[in-house]
Amino acid sequence: GNSVTQMEGPVTLSEEAFLTINCTYTATGYPSLFWYVQYPGEGLQLLLKATKADDKGSNKGFEATYRKETTSFHLEKGSVQVSDSAVYFCALSARGGTSYGKLTFGQGTILTVHP
Amino acid sequence: NAGVTQTPKFQVLKTGQSMTLQCAQDMNHEYMSWYRQDPGMGLRLIHYSVGAGITDQGEVPNGYNVSRSTTEDFPLRLLSAAPSQTSVYFCASTLGGGNTEAFFGQGTRLTVV
Repeated sequence: GNSVTQMEGPVTLSEEAFLTINCTYTATGYPSLFWYVQYPGEGLQLLLKATKADDKGSNKGFEATYRKETTSFHLEKGSVQVSDSAVYFCALSARGGTSYGKLTFGQGTILTVHP
Repeated sequence: NAGVTQTPKFQVLKTGQSMTLQCAQDMNHEYMSWYRQDPGMGLRLIHYSVGAGITDQGEVPNGYNVSRSTTEDFPLRLLSAAPSQTSVYFCASTLGGGNTEAFFGQGTRLTVV
């Protein structure tokens, strides 16, 4: 079956530090890959996505590249802000048929950014 | 545009009680899902629907029932609540047809005592 593994958390950084959150996956075929973000007390919001190998998703200064050879989709940001403090989830969705919207999630990584 | 609306936001149940978590979307999405979120485990799929009248089980379906009589609504029923069902529940919808982005509701925090 499909699975997603994220790096252990929590992650604590100072403002303007570089962020990397590792994500690797196991899936058959060519899944779509996502990063979702959950701010305190809220639901999940799509941060970025990539739908095929070598695609780079980007949004709000965050980036992730779909690496099929290493089955990875690591999230990066060059300079984090206090407002980036949240829980980040890596997820995948298989393609076609009844798979749309059936997401497999990693366990989530709590990010705290201090001023 | 309301998106995905879940009610209630918070609920406390006694063991053995029943309740229904409501979920509605106004985006005319075909696909709707229910997830539960537990610490250290991410979100896990409970039940899933690919359209009105069609539902399927996800990873953790035991203790939950669903039905989908309209495109807009996808309620989740707990027939006899257990403490193991204490969790945060999220409903999501997806357009489908190649667009795989899921839109989530604000969540329902359920405590079973």
